[in-house]
Amino acid sequence: AQSVSQHNHHVILSEAASLELGCNYSYGGTVNLFWYVQYPGQHLQLLLKYFSGDPLVKGIKGFEAEFIKSKFSFNLRKPSVQWSDTAEYFCAVNPGSWGKFQFGAGTQVVVTP
Amino acid sequence: GAGVSQSPSNKVTEKGKDVELRCDPISGHTALYWYRQSLGQGLEFLIYFQGNSAPDKSGLPSDRFSAERTGGSVSTLTIQRTQQEDSAVYLCASSRTGPETQYFGPGTRLLVL
Repeated sequence: AQSVSQHNHHVILSEAASLELGCNYSYGGTVNLFWYVQYPGQHLQLLLKYFSGDPLVKGIKGFEAEFIKSKFSFNLRKPSVQWSDTAEYFCAVNPGSWGKFQFGAGTQVVVTP
Repeated sequence: GAGVSQSPSNKVTEKGKDVELRCDPISGHTALYWYRQSLGQGLEFLIYFQGNSAPDKSGLPSDRFSAERTGGSVSTLTIQRTQQEDSAVYLCASSRTGPETQYFGPGTRLLVL
């Protein structure tokens, strides 16, 4: 079955540490890739997205993600996290030929001061 | 402009009752999605509407679940004969067209006693 896997369910790190969240998918063919974030008490919002072109995409708040087609991966990174990055992060995949999205299970990130 | 709105924000019901959840998408958005978010389960796709096309109902978990979208705008998700396992947050999202950035509403938190 087609799936989206996020490797870590919970991550705890200190401010200024680097963050990398893994995302792998099993869809073949063209895909559109997204990372969404849900801050405590807030709506899900888009962090960044990849449709085509440069596989290294930059999003809001200093986040970036790299699409590696051969590895079916779209990992999210931030060089130096802040306490305000505490949130749940979701990877999402859209098979480009139609509108349905599949989300990963999410990674809860806690940044300690 | 206004974002995606959902009502009610919270709903407590008794097992066996029917519930209706409402979603008002962003004006002009042709695509509308319903998801279910259970604790630790990520976002589960339920149904997708795109313009006047037949909806993609492939994510509805049982025939107790149905949804409609009237006039290409407001959508209602109906759960008949609710069960305790239906307790979750039901999220609605809209986008300008199918495989594009989704804008999420605040969700309806459903509790079935």
